[in-house]
Parts: sequence; C-alpha cells; structure tokens
Amino acid sequence: QKEVEQNSGPLSVPEGAIASLNCTYSDRGSQSFFWYRQYSGKSPELIMFIYSNGDKEDGRFTAQLNKASQYVSLLIRDSQPSDSATYLCAVITSGGSYIPTFGRGTSLIVHP
Amino acid sequence: DGGITQSPKYLFRKEGQNVTLSCEQNLNHDAMYWYRQDPGQGLRLIYYSQIVNDFQKGDIAEGYSVSREKKESFPLTVTSAQKNPTAFYLCASKRDRGTGANVLTFGAGSRLTVL
Repeated sequence: QKEVEQNSGPLSVPEGAIASLNCTYSDRGSQSFFWYRQYSGKSPELIMFIYSNGDKEDGRFTAQLNKASQYVSLLIRDSQPSDSATYLCAVITSGGSYIPTFGRGTSLIVHP
Repeated sequence: DGGITQSPKYLFRKEGQNVTLSCEQNLNHDAMYWYRQDPGQGLRLIYYSQIVNDFQKGDIAEGYSVSREKKESFPLTVTSAQKNPTAFYLCASKRDRGTGANVLTFGAGSRLTVL
C-alpha cells in the first residue's frame, strides 16, 4: 500500500507568521507532488506542484521536495486568516497509472 | 468556461436504494476519477477511468459502480451494497500529458446522506 502521511493538526499560527506543512510518502519511485487547499464544505483547489528536488516558489507559497528523505513541505509566508483551510498533499506514485494518492490533510488555522 | 459539473449537490437516500451521481466535464480530459471524503479524512479513490469504455477499481470500490460511455461523462452509482454511503463525493479529471499534466480539476462535490 502506497501511503501519504500528513499531521492532521490543527496547526495554529498567528497572522503574519510562516506556516509550515509537511507530508511524507512511502513510495520511493514517486514522481510528482501536489498541494491542494480545501475550504470547509468545498472541493480542493490546486496551490502548486513540484517535480524536482529543491524549492519552488509561487507568491507567498513555497514547496520544498526532498526525495532522498521522502518528504515534501509547503511553506506559507505572511499567513492570512483567509489561508485557514485544510491542505491536502497528493503524490503521483510509480506504477504507470499516474493515479494521485492523497494524505488526510492538515487543518491550518490562522488567527488574527 | 471549462470545468466539471457534479449533480446533485445534496442527495438523500433511504436504505436499500441505489442512487447515481452525475459528473460531466468539458475540459477534454482523458482521465476521470471518483473520490470519497469522510469528515477529517483525506480523499479515497473509488473508481477511475483513463479512456472511454474502460474503468478500474480504486481502493474502496465495493458497493459502487461506474460507466464511461462518453469522454465527457463518468457517473457513479452508489448501490444498496454500500453499507455506509454517507460522505462527500468528489469527481475529478486530469490531462495525462502536456502542459498541466496530472493536475486534478475537481467538481464542486455531491454530499450524500443516508436517512
């Protein structure tokens, strides 16, 4: 069973702080990594994806991938109350079917 | 605008009934997926289809059935054999090649409640 693990939280940070969300995966052959944001009662929406080791930045968001240690993280700088949501990590594992496998998600609360 | 339309948004089922959730996309995506989400849980894969007239079971296919007669449509039937069907159901699609490949686009979801 290919697994994707996330701390369910909630992670609580003050407004303006950096929120750090982590995700580990079991399949060493995993190729593509995605972060989705899901507001309560809504469907997930893509924040960003990363394929290569290192950092990828998009505005206030930075994804970090370390394939040797099998983890991917998402940093949110200058956190805002509107960032309060559940963040889902998804991994495309090896095997040829390119099926995304999701973690349970981390609940983030940004308090004013 | 391109996207995925799921209907109905809310659905109530009596025990012993089959219900069908609709999913239609106009994104010209080849692959379509059905996920189930329970409170505090991630998304669990029910069924997926990578091409018309072909579909595969996911991790929790028991009690569900699907069809893929058209590229645009991937309906999910929740049968009476599914003993705990109350959940949030999400349909998604993606392109497997080219720009934006493997990024899932989701519908708005269907919330099913068993009475």
